[in-house]
Amino acid sequence: EDQVTQSPEALRLQEGESSSLNCSYTVSGLRGLFWYRQDPGKGPEFLFTLYSAGEEKEKERLKATLTKKESFLHITAPKPEDSATYLCAVQATSGNTPLVFGKGTRLSVIA
Amino acid sequence: DGGITQSPKYLFRKEGQNVTLSCEQNLNHDAMYWYRQDPGQGLRLIYYSQIVNDFQKGDIAEGYSVSREKKESFPLTVTSAQKNPTAFYLCASSLAGVLGEQFFGPGTRLTVL
Repeated sequence: EDQVTQSPEALRLQEGESSSLNCSYTVSGLRGLFWYRQDPGKGPEFLFTLYSAGEEKEKERLKATLTKKESFLHITAPKPEDSATYLCAVQATSGNTPLVFGKGTRLSVIA
Repeated sequence: DGGITQSPKYLFRKEGQNVTLSCEQNLNHDAMYWYRQDPGQGLRLIYYSQIVNDFQKGDIAEGYSVSREKKESFPLTVTSAQKNPTAFYLCASSLAGVLGEQFFGPGTRLTVL
C-alpha cells in the first residue's frame, strides 16, 4: 500500500530562521511527488512536482528536493506570510491511481 | 479566468437530509475528484472521475454519491447514510486523467446541525 508520512506535524519558526520539512514515502514505483500549500479554510495551492531522485525545484524562499525514499521542502529565511500547512502527495507508476496525500506539516512563522 | 468553483462556501444540514455540493471547472480538465478533510487529517479521497459518465470509488465512498454528466461538472451528494458528514470538502481536477498535478477549488464546509 502506498503511504506518505510528513514530519514534523507542526513547526514554529522565528522570521528568518531557515528549516526543512520532511516527506517520507513508500510507493510501488514513483511517477511523481507533489507539494502543496494550504491556508486555513482554503483549498490547497500547487507548488512543485518532482519526478526523479536528485531533482530540485525552487520558488521564492522554497526549494523542494527528492531522494528515492523522501522529499524535503527547504524554507530559507521564512516570513510570516509563509505560515500555512504544507502537504505532500505521491503518485505510483503502477495502474492509473490518484494521488496519495500525507497529513501535512503546519508551519507558523513568528515575526 | 480559468479555475475551479465550489458552492456553497458554507452549508448546514439537518440530520437525515441529503445535500448536494457543487463543483465546476473551466480548465478543460479530464479528471475530477472529491476529497474530505477533517481537522488534523490529510485529504481522503471520496470519488473520482476520469471521463464523462464514469467514476470510481475512493477510500471513503460510503454515504456519498456522485455524477459526471458533463466534463465541467462533478457534483457530490452527501446522503443521510453518511454518519459523520461534518467536514471540509474539496474538489479538484487534473488535465491528463489521474496523472499529474491536481488543482483544487476553494472548498465547502459542511456542518450537520
